[in-house]
This record gives sequence, C-alpha cells and structure tokens, in this order.
Amino acid sequence: DQQVKQNSPSLSVQEGRISILNCDYTNSMFDYFLWYKKYPAEGPTFLISISSIKDKNEDGRFTVFLNKSAKHLSLHIVPSQPGDSAVYFCAASAGANNLFFGTGTRLTVIP
Amino acid sequence: ETGVTQTPRHLVMGMTNKKSLKCEQHLGHNAMYWYKQSAKKPLELMFVYSLEERVENNSVPSRFSPECPNSSHLFLHLHTLQPEDSALYLCASSQDSKGPTTNEKLFFGSGTQLSVL
Repeated sequence: DQQVKQNSPSLSVQEGRISILNCDYTNSMFDYFLWYKKYPAEGPTFLISISSIKDKNEDGRFTVFLNKSAKHLSLHIVPSQPGDSAVYFCAASAGANNLFFGTGTRLTVIP
Repeated sequence: ETGVTQTPRHLVMGMTNKKSLKCEQHLGHNAMYWYKQSAKKPLELMFVYSLEERVENNSVPSRFSPECPNSSHLFLHLHTLQPEDSALYLCASSQDSKGPTTNEKLFFGSGTQLSVL
C-alpha cells in the first residue's frame, strides 16, 4: 500500500495565479518531507523541504505547508510561471536511507 | 562534468541479454542509490550504498545486481530481465551515509529508460 499519495495526476493553472499541489501520507513516523520537480528527460531535482517540527517553510515563490494531524502537506507556487510546468513529486522520510515518493502531479501553467 | 550522470540514456534489451547501467556522481557524496520508476507508480528504492557498502536492497529480484566500486561510481548489472522490468531507472546520491534526513537531499541523474522485449 502506498504510504505517500498524490491524488491529482494533473493540474492546470493560469500564469500569475497560485498553484496548489497536494500530498497525503499514512505513516505517522515520517519526520521529513520534500518536494521534487521533474522536467521531461531529466531526473527529479530538489525543490523544497520541511521538517515535522514545522508547519510552514517558504522559499521565494514556493511554500510548503504541513498539517500533521491531517497527515497532509501542500506545495503553493505563487505567482505561477510557464517554466514551472513539470511533474512534482512529494516524498517523505523516516530516516534509514529511504524516501517514499508519491506518483507525481503534472502541473501545466498556461501563459 | 557536474552532478550525477547516467549512461546509457536509453536501453533496449532482450530477455536473454546481459547489460549494465552506469552512474557517476561528481558531488563528493558518500551514498548512492538506485531507484525504479514504472509508469503510474511511485519511485521505488532498489539499492542503497553507503560508504561503498550496501545497506538496503528492498527484496529486489536477483536478476538485478548492483556494484559500487568506489564512492563515485555505481553500476546496475542486468540479466535475464522480464518485460515487466521495463521502467526508468534513476541513480541518486546524497552526502550522508544515513540517507535523506533534515539537511540531506537526493541528487538524481537523468535516468536510463529501459525496455525489455
């Protein structure tokens, strides 16, 4: 059974608007969460992370929110830009050399 | 070169072939990983090497055989694969032997798209 779920396979957003990508997890032992971005024909690249001791982390246009009680995290991108069009993977870790990934959400930002 | 490089980018092989995937990292990291990404499935960890010693293999079939001769190089030897093994194989590295925790991130290569006929 998947421990990290991204239930929306795709999302389309107008340029300049906010993009919100969601992720749910089941394992309460996860203590570190990351978002990766993947362009076609490239490997995933790290985007932003958050520790379980925080509920928000911001880096420029990107903000990750963590709701531990709901076992839910989200990535907000504002304003969205066409170059943000990519597949976004949510990942979670409980240490011990393993990240659990979601299946990804394909974001399309429409100019 | 910088980052994590994987060769070949694409590979087509028959079920009786033997081939190897290669990964090289130029980041000075001390841990390397093989991940598998099948269509519509999450990335699955296959192997982890920390300080050149395997620390995780996640019950991967023996037709996949990893090799880590030094901290910069990682191989995945393939033999008698099945069509369901067709997938994107990603190599990654990180700086800490304990894997991705608070200040550690995985750096991925571009992957090898494998097709088994």
